[in-house]
Amino acid sequence: GAGVSQSPSNKVTEKGKDVELRCDPISGHTALYWYRQSLGQGLEFLIYFQGNSAPDKSGLPSDRFSAERTGGSVSTLTIQRTQQEDSAVYLCASSLPTLSGNTEAFFGQGTRLTVV
Amino acid sequence: GQQLNQSPQSMFIQEGEDVSMNCTSSSIFNTWLWYKQDPGEGPVLLIALYKAGELTSNGRLTAQFGITRKDSFLNISASIPSDVGIYFCAGQGNHGSGNTGKLIFGQGTTLQVKP
Repeated sequence: GAGVSQSPSNKVTEKGKDVELRCDPISGHTALYWYRQSLGQGLEFLIYFQGNSAPDKSGLPSDRFSAERTGGSVSTLTIQRTQQEDSAVYLCASSLPTLSGNTEAFFGQGTRLTVV
Repeated sequence: GQQLNQSPQSMFIQEGEDVSMNCTSSSIFNTWLWYKQDPGEGPVLLIALYKAGELTSNGRLTAQFGITRKDSFLNISASIPSDVGIYFCAGQGNHGSGNTGKLIFGQGTTLQVKP
């Protein structure tokens, strides 16, 4: 597609339920990032996929959070047993790093998650 | 771990004034990116910097990649009301040496412009 696409754009869920957030990166982009942004805050790194390398999961806040990227394209971020503090905007970005490692990451519009 | 310190946290300026914000890092980066985020939107890339000392302009925006590779600044000249938003710096280090090359963001600078 022309840009990074995230779905749903908004999600309201009850505490304790599981949610899945989807990211469709720009076609051909090998790197994919997930970030979390709480209201009025900066971007908190969650996880980074780069090609066939093992993902960098160092930002995942707990074992309730997981992400996968199937076929090197679409990614799904799963939050199990959601808590109210999980409420935030979840942003996905993709990039096409060059051989020298340079990159320009482009963001989707985000998924606003509200846990009630 | 890698950290970025962005300042100032917020700015309230008069239309027409110039603006400057900067980011410093605890470690060396190979890439510096500057983004702008409007309410309810994802961040939009403004300027990308790939070389130490590089100075790049995009319209009224100018950004520089510090010589030490640990800092970058963004200047906005002759501000206008539509410059309002949150500006983020982001840095990416080398792959290897325990670093995966992920993109790290500063805390953001909130800019308000008074007409």
